Amino acid sequence: EDQVTQSPEALRLQEGESSSLNCSYTVSGLRGLFWYRQDPGKGPEFLFTLYSAGEEKEKERLKATLTKKESFLHITAPKPEDSATYLCAVQPIGNQGGKLIFGQGTELSVKP
Amino acid sequence: NAGVTQTPKFRVLKTGQSMTLLCAQDMNHEYMYWYRQDPGMGLRLIHYSVGEGTTAKGEVPDGYNVSRLKKQNFLLGLESAAPSQTSVYFCASGLQSYTFGSGTRLTVV
Repeated sequence: EDQVTQSPEALRLQEGESSSLNCSYTVSGLRGLFWYRQDPGKGPEFLFTLYSAGEEKEKERLKATLTKKESFLHITAPKPEDSATYLCAVQPIGNQGGKLIFGQGTELSVKP
Repeated sequence: NAGVTQTPKFRVLKTGQSMTLLCAQDMNHEYMYWYRQDPGMGLRLIHYSVGEGTTAKGEVPDGYNVSRLKKQNFLLGLESAAPSQTSVYFCASGLQSYTFGSGTRLTVV
């Protein structure tokens, strides 16, 4: 069964304290892995797509990496405005209709 | 650049009442989706559509119906609401890098 597990469930950081969020996945074949950011009371906002092991994508203080079993979202020198819930999702090969399978998310809090 | 618009934003229903949630997108996307988000459960797919006039079941379709009469609109219906359908509902469009609406918070009492 295709599955996505994110850890930790919640992460509290001090401003400037770098860390990583983990997304472990089990799929028969991976078409793509996606990271989204969700602010309270809003819909998820697309961040990155990764397609193959070894691939990396960067945006400001965020860098996403991918292996055959997991993805990491590295946050370098975070600021309070980076506080949000980060969602990971996978799209299996042969998945009809573009459906994504989401993890439960990691709630990140960055204190000044 | 409206993207994906959901209406209403909030709604309280009594058990057994019916309602329709509307999703409209202006990006000419073929694919549209309805998800529900519950604490500790993540986003779960209810129904989806791969084009005008088509719909298909997702992971948790029971108690819901959908229609895609026009390419830009995707409607989610609850025929007889139950407390278990209390949730936040998100509509999305796109093939991979989804664009999400801002959500509908539904409470069934």
